[in-house]
Order: sequence, then structure tokens, then C-alpha cells
Amino acid sequence: DADVTQTPRNRITKTGKRIMLECSQTKGHDRMYWYRQDPGLGLRLIYYSFDVKDINKGEISDGYSVSRQAQAKFSLSLESAIPNQTALYFCATKDRGGTDTQYFGPGTRLTVL
Amino acid sequence: DAKTTQPPSMDCAEGRAANLPCNHSTISGNEYVYWYRQIHSQGPQYIIHGLKNNETNEMASLIITEDRKSSTLILPHATLRDTAVYYCIVRGNTGNQFYFGTGTSLTVIP
Repeated sequence: DADVTQTPRNRITKTGKRIMLECSQTKGHDRMYWYRQDPGLGLRLIYYSFDVKDINKGEISDGYSVSRQAQAKFSLSLESAIPNQTALYFCATKDRGGTDTQYFGPGTRLTVL
Repeated sequence: DAKTTQPPSMDCAEGRAANLPCNHSTISGNEYVYWYRQIHSQGPQYIIHGLKNNETNEMASLIITEDRKSSTLILPHATLRDTAVYYCIVRGNTGNQFYFGTGTSLTVIP
């Protein structure tokens, strides 16, 4: 089984709808991250969390919110989706200590019409 | 975090060594060099990292110059499954995110 899973893997929605993307991990890591990737571009950080209930804004947090109610789960919400939020979304985890290696999920492809 | 410069694309013959360069002339003393790759829209995959010494693992080798201003990722015997975008990232352990940039698109040719 994969260590970092994301659901759904693909989602098509309409402008104005509320969408939630889920991330779960079995690695026991404290830190979790949400990134988005646009075609031909690198990944950009949306939000990150160092522990349960800890939430920090990343580079592009506007239009998004997150929830970390349990160590193993980190959810990303789009309160009112807009077309320019069409992108590939990745969740990542990292252990608190050691080096800075992050482990990524398989991604969620979101299309907002 | 220091910025990196990578060529946008490279080709490599199957079975040959793939050498992917990365310039990081503004790297500071406590910053590590990380390499990740992304195979066709999958989640980025960790490859290797290093501080100043050369490193080798089951996937690749990392050669860091003595002045640490550049590095090279070496895939010793490239296969078609190594076709991917390779990202060189430089950062310290106190940073919060990875700046992935646009990386090098490596195509392994049969």
C-alpha cells in the first residue's frame, strides 16, 4: 500500500462549488504539505502543517483552506472553486527530524469549469 | 533558499550514463542539495541529497564540486523508465518548502 494517498485522484467541478481534497499518510510523519502544479511549471506551496491543529500559509494560500484534525490526515478545501484553480494538487509529508526529504502522494487532478 | 539553474531538456541513450548538471552559485554553508524527479504528472520522487561530499545510493550518484557552486546527478545506466523531469533543489533544514522550479526534462532514447 502507498504511504501517502490522495482522494479523489481526478475531479471535475463547476465554478462556485465547494471542493475538498483529502490526504492520508501511514508514514507517521508530523509535517504535511499541500502543493499545486500548473502545466509546465514547478510546484508551489499552498499550506503546510507541523502538527495536529497547526496551520501555516504557503506561497499561494488565497482561495484555499486546510484542516489537520489528525496526524495522518490533511485536507485541502476550495470554498468556491474558480477556473484558475484548475491544476494538479500534491500532498507531501516529512518527518520532524533528520533531513528535509519530503514524500509525495500521487496527486489529484482538479478541473474547474 | 538558494536558486538553482538547470538546462531545460536533455537526451540520453538507453544504457548510457545520464549526467544532469545543476548550478547553485549562491548556496550557503548549511544548505543541502536535493534531487527529485517527476514522471509524467506523478508525485515527485526523492532521489538523493548531499551537503559537500559525493553521495551514492541505489538510484543515483551525486557529485558536488569542491566550492559547492554546482553539482551533477548521475544515473549510471539510464533506462526508458528514467524519462522524467529532474529537479535540483537547494535549501537549508530550517526552510518550509521546496522551490521546485522547472527542472530538466530528461528523455531516454532507445
